[in-house]
Amino acid sequence: SQQGEEDPQALSIQEGENATMNCSYKTSINNLQWYRQNSGRGLVHLILIRSNEREKHSGRLRVTLDTSKKSSSLLITASRAADTASYFCATAEIQGAQKLVFGQGTRLTINP
Amino acid sequence: DAGVIQSPRHEVTEMGQEVTLRCKPISGHDYLFWYRQTMMRGLELLIYFNNNVPIDDSGMPEDRFSAKMPNASFSTLKIQPSEPRDSAVYFCASSLGGPRETQYFGPGTRLLVL
Repeated sequence: SQQGEEDPQALSIQEGENATMNCSYKTSINNLQWYRQNSGRGLVHLILIRSNEREKHSGRLRVTLDTSKKSSSLLITASRAADTASYFCATAEIQGAQKLVFGQGTRLTINP
Repeated sequence: DAGVIQSPRHEVTEMGQEVTLRCKPISGHDYLFWYRQTMMRGLELLIYFNNNVPIDDSGMPEDRFSAKMPNASFSTLKIQPSEPRDSAVYFCASSLGGPRETQYFGPGTRLLVL
């Protein structure tokens, strides 16, 4: 079963602009993670945010978590062509199966 | 660190043949995961191991799929016999903190069954 759903499915912006992707989920979580996947490559972990945290930063990445709305957002500031990739959120439920459940991803294209 | 290593990177086979995918996790990681990624179903967890012991194989699609982890540095995913619907990218991942913590993915094996 799919827990996280990303929105939008695809996003195309100009280099230098900010990109925002959203993830909604259904059940209570232990943590939420964001991963990046470049074309033809494996997933790369970006950020993990726990249920008691509201915001985390890593370089040009900012992740927020709103447990009351069961949603998270990933903001990439000052985008670069190298940021072109698919971005996935993955949720770890508090109850239920002990595993990460990945959404379908947002395909981000940065135009030079 | 070399990261998670998978082989082969690409595999083309004919329906009915046996396929074996291999994975070497990051040294020291005690969890190993096998995932399958397709356009239709996204990324699905097939099975994961903790300290070489299979913990959850509920994602294994059917008896044609089997996975083993004979030691801490090696795992295989076998499909026998293979079918065209098995065509997908298969990822191996490992982690240190548990199945809900950060996972480190290999480059994947792209399987095409004709």
